[in-house]
Amino acid sequence: KAGVTQTPRYLIKTRGQQVTLSCSPISGHRSVSWYQQTPGQGLQFLFEYFSETQRNKGNFPGRFSGRQFSNSRSEMNVSTLELGDSALYLCASSLWAGGNQPQHFGDGTRLSIL
Amino acid sequence: AQSVTQLDSHVSVSEGTPVLLRCNYSSSYSPSLFWYVQHPNKGLQLLLKYTSAATLVKGINGFEAEFKKSETSFHLTKPSAHMSDAAEYFCVVSDPNGSARQLTFGSGTQLTVLP
Repeated sequence: KAGVTQTPRYLIKTRGQQVTLSCSPISGHRSVSWYQQTPGQGLQFLFEYFSETQRNKGNFPGRFSGRQFSNSRSEMNVSTLELGDSALYLCASSLWAGGNQPQHFGDGTRLSIL
Repeated sequence: AQSVTQLDSHVSVSEGTPVLLRCNYSSSYSPSLFWYVQHPNKGLQLLLKYTSAATLVKGINGFEAEFKKSETSFHLTKPSAHMSDAAEYFCVVSDPNGSARQLTFGSGTQLTVLP
């Protein structure tokens, strides 16, 4: 069974640009969550999608948005990029959205802002 | 509200000796607890999970953790460290009954294994 696939693995952008990251969950998984990982702030929850609906959102500005498609694939968009957006962005999937469901992580997209 | 504290940011052990990574949590309900491991340039891999069944939880690669409600702890142990165990470990708490699950991650413990 294929794992969670995130594309691209690496991205370099400049301030003010926008970026779209993609996540394909494990087949049959319907819940997708996104996290930002930085050395200073650690792992922070961005948002969670289940059945194409955003179920919960972390404490990030509106420049961060996402969506989920009918096949459970998800995209995350960041507009007007800032230097502080440089981070590893991790996507995780699980069968359901319940709190006792273990999450399966992709290897992340490393975003660097110049 | 929930929170998790990993008591050591770095732990160093010799190969073949026991590993202990400490985690305390705070929660207003009976939480689900997880340990994840992250190797360099990789995502997080689930080691084990506690969801109110047995308090001693066995995971992959010889790791186990014990849930102690009275001490609000969920420490991760392994009898004998291997070089391949060198990685960062995260303790995670979650509300199992939350309609919209939001995990809270600890700040991580970097494990170094010396030859």
